[in-house]
Amino acid sequence: EVQLVQSGAEVKKPGESLKISCKGSVYSFTGYWIGWVRQMPGKGLEWMGIIYPGDSDTRYSPSFQGQVTISADKSISTAYLQWSSLKASDTAMYYCARLPPGINLVQGIDSWGQGTLVTVSS
Amino acid sequence: DIQMTQSPSSLSASVGDRVTITCQASQDISNYLNWYQQKPGKAPKLLIYDASSLETGVPSRFSGSGSGTDFTFTISSLQTEDIATYYCQQYDNLPLTFGGGTKVEIK
Repeated sequence: EVQLVQSGAEVKKPGESLKISCKGSVYSFTGYWIGWVRQMPGKGLEWMGIIYPGDSDTRYSPSFQGQVTISADKSISTAYLQWSSLKASDTAMYYCARLPPGINLVQGIDSWGQGTLVTVSS
Repeated sequence: DIQMTQSPSSLSASVGDRVTITCQASQDISNYLNWYQQKPGKAPKLLIYDASSLETGVPSRFSGSGSGTDFTFTISSLQTEDIATYYCQQYDNLPLTFGGGTKVEIK
């Protein structure tokens, strides 16, 4: 069974930096896209962006372009989501997810990580 | 961006009832649509892919239909374990976009 294991919950102050991770296993990490999805408290799902670990091709949602950085280290089958300066409004659950490649670049999400809760508060 | 309009935003039904959720895309997305279930405090789970294909291991009471701009998700006989929020998502074009979600409760 495909596994996406995310790093643990984080509590940070505004202005601090943060990098959370998502480790894939039991499948070919370089053969699938990894995406990140935000869920703010009590709200719906928002797609942030995707990366193809095989060649590091990265695409961002316009809403998140410039706000976060998505990266991957294929040698350890791990993808990352990074902030350089957190805001209180970044408080949310963040999910990584696997997306098979498709005719239109990707197919829909077929597996999800367990989520990483990020709390930003002074 | 393709907008996904999901309705209703919430519903209450009895055990055994047939439940239907709709999702409308702002432009033709062919059959590039998935449906997910999210139980409280849990990660979402894929139920239906390519608009109408049932993911392996998902009970057959769940089904999906539609193509183009109009899609339907159905639970043929609601069970207590189906209490969750359901989301549609299109993958015809980037950015990928989700519907606003439908919260399903037991009456």
